[in-house]
Formats: sequence, structure tokens, C-alpha cells
Amino acid sequence: SQQGEEDPQALSIQEGENATMNCSYKTSINNLQWYRQNSGRGLVHLILIRSNEREKHSGRLRVTLDTSKKSSSLLITASRAADTASYFCATRGNSGGYQKVTFGIGTKLQVIP
Amino acid sequence: DTGVSQNPRHKITKRGQNVTFRCDPISEHNRLYWYRQTLGQGPEFLTYFQNEAQLEKSRLLSDRFSAERPKGSFSTLEIQRTEQGDSAMYLCASSSPGLAGGAGAQYFGPGTRLTVL
Repeated sequence: SQQGEEDPQALSIQEGENATMNCSYKTSINNLQWYRQNSGRGLVHLILIRSNEREKHSGRLRVTLDTSKKSSSLLITASRAADTASYFCATRGNSGGYQKVTFGIGTKLQVIP
Repeated sequence: DTGVSQNPRHKITKRGQNVTFRCDPISEHNRLYWYRQTLGQGPEFLTYFQNEAQLEKSRLLSDRFSAERPKGSFSTLEIQRTEQGDSAMYLCASSSPGLAGGAGAQYFGPGTRLTVL
């Protein structure tokens, strides 16, 4: 089953605008990761945030994590046409032993030049 | 190229045939994962190896599916008696042990797209 649920499922913005995607999950986690996937390609890791962290930055990316609400957001600032892709959140549980990383269904982002 | 590679990139087969896919992870990564992804969905976990040991298998991995990593380096995923429902992108990823025991970033290959006619 897919734990993470991204919202919105599709997003279309103009180049230069900011894009915000949200992810909600159900069980307690060790960490949450965001990935990007261009059409027909493999996934590219963007950023990992641990359960004891609240915010993380990487270039134009900003990720927040609210464990009390079991939610995370990914903000892409000053979007570019090359940011057009699907974005997935992935969660890793923390109940001991090997906990697989579970992906959501993704947000499809279109950045219009 | 030091990334994760997968072969073949595309495979078309007839229902009932067997297929085998190969994944070559990043050389220093001891963890290897297989996922299946269908259109409009996120990757679904299939199985996980740490070195040569297969430590976790999803219930999605029916007895027609088998995966191996004989020397702790490359891995193969075999599907026997393929069915049309097996049509999907099969993704391989590798990682090194994460900090503080958590799973670190996974590095994905380009995937093998399987079409079962």
C-alpha cells in the first residue's frame, strides 16, 4: 500500500512562480524523502529530512516536516521549465528492523515557459 | 558511468514466457532494491538485498517472481510465466547504509519497461 499521499496530484504554474506540493502519511516515520521523476525515467533523490528535523533547504528546494500532523511540504522557488516532472514523497518507518521506503502516488508538476 | 544501470531498457514478451532483468548498482552500495511502477502510480516495493542476503520481500512478489544477488554486486529479477498484469516499469535502486540506522538516499536506475502481450 502507498503510505504517502501527495497533494495536489497535478499542478501547472508559470515559469518563475513558486510550486508547493504536500505529502501526508499515516504511520510514524524515521525519515521522509522527496524524489523527482522525469517522464519515463528513473527517480532522482532530491532531499531527505529526518523525523527530528523541521525544515531543510537545498538550493531552490525547501522541505518542511510536521510530525504532529504527519505531513510534509516541498517548495520549489523560482520554478523553471526544467522542473517539469513528477514529484514523490517517500517515507521510511521506524518500528525497528528493516523498514521499507514507501512512495506516494506523486504530484505531476508542469512549469509553463 | 558510475550510476545504477539496468538492462534491458525495454522488453516485450508474450504471455507465459519468462523474462529476466539485470541491475548493476553503484559499486560501493551494499543495499539494493527492486520496485515496480505502473502508469500514474509511485514505485511499489518488491524486495531488498543487503549484500547478497535478501532481507525483505513484498507480498506483491508472488511465487512467479524471484530475485537474486549472488555475489552481493549485480542483481537479477526473473518473472516466470508472465501475465499481462506484469506489464510495468521495473526499477532498481541502491544505497549505502544511512546515518543513525535510517535508510539513506536511494539512487535509481533508468528502469526496465516490460510489456506483456
